[in-house]
Amino acid sequence: EPEVTQTPSHQVTQMGQEVILRCVPISNHLYFYWYRQILGQKVEFLVSFYNNEISEKSEIFDDQFSVERPDGSNFTLKIRSTKLEDSAMYFCASTQDYSNQPQHFGDGTRLSIL
Amino acid sequence: QKEVEQDPGPLSVPEGAIVSLNCTYSNSAFQYFMWYRQYSRKGPELLMYTYSSGNKEDGRFTAQVDKSSKYISLFIRDSQPSDSATYLCAMSAGGNNRLAFGKGNQVVVIP
Repeated sequence: EPEVTQTPSHQVTQMGQEVILRCVPISNHLYFYWYRQILGQKVEFLVSFYNNEISEKSEIFDDQFSVERPDGSNFTLKIRSTKLEDSAMYFCASTQDYSNQPQHFGDGTRLSIL
Repeated sequence: QKEVEQDPGPLSVPEGAIVSLNCTYSNSAFQYFMWYRQYSRKGPELLMYTYSSGNKEDGRFTAQVDKSSKYISLFIRDSQPSDSATYLCAMSAGGNNRLAFGKGNQVVVIP
């Protein structure tokens, strides 16, 4: 069964450094998402992306965050200047391009900021 | 009032018992309702997906949605040790819109 893949599985970064999290969505999917889950808390929506532009973003997704689809298969989340509170699991999800299909998630990247 | 509420208290049941989980929500725009299962160090795995009110059954799993009460449930019949996981409810206003999640219920099925 096709799946969303995320790399790396664990990223350790010094505070203030830039980090890029990578995702390969399911191949025929056209909507892409990033969520995060801080330890012990809910999964929170960050951003959705369709047709090469952001379609929706949350208040968490401020100027330090950006997303990109650099080629036909990858979808990336960049955090420009990481803070301690960015430590979390980051999940990528994707769905097909019609309204009645659910989102499918990858296994996440655990981001640890030191 | 929180958008989605799910009592996160861990739940331990003996093998073969019925597991009952539920969520309440406040946003009446929500129309799509999901249950995801999450194993340790893994991403959410879609279990059930329903639109609007009603029941949906898939094997040992039944999802119920009551939009008038803003209440959704998941029932697991004949629970197995392999059902031990965290169960997350999630919902959205539209099929491609953001998901709002509950905090998750950790379920342990004891052999």
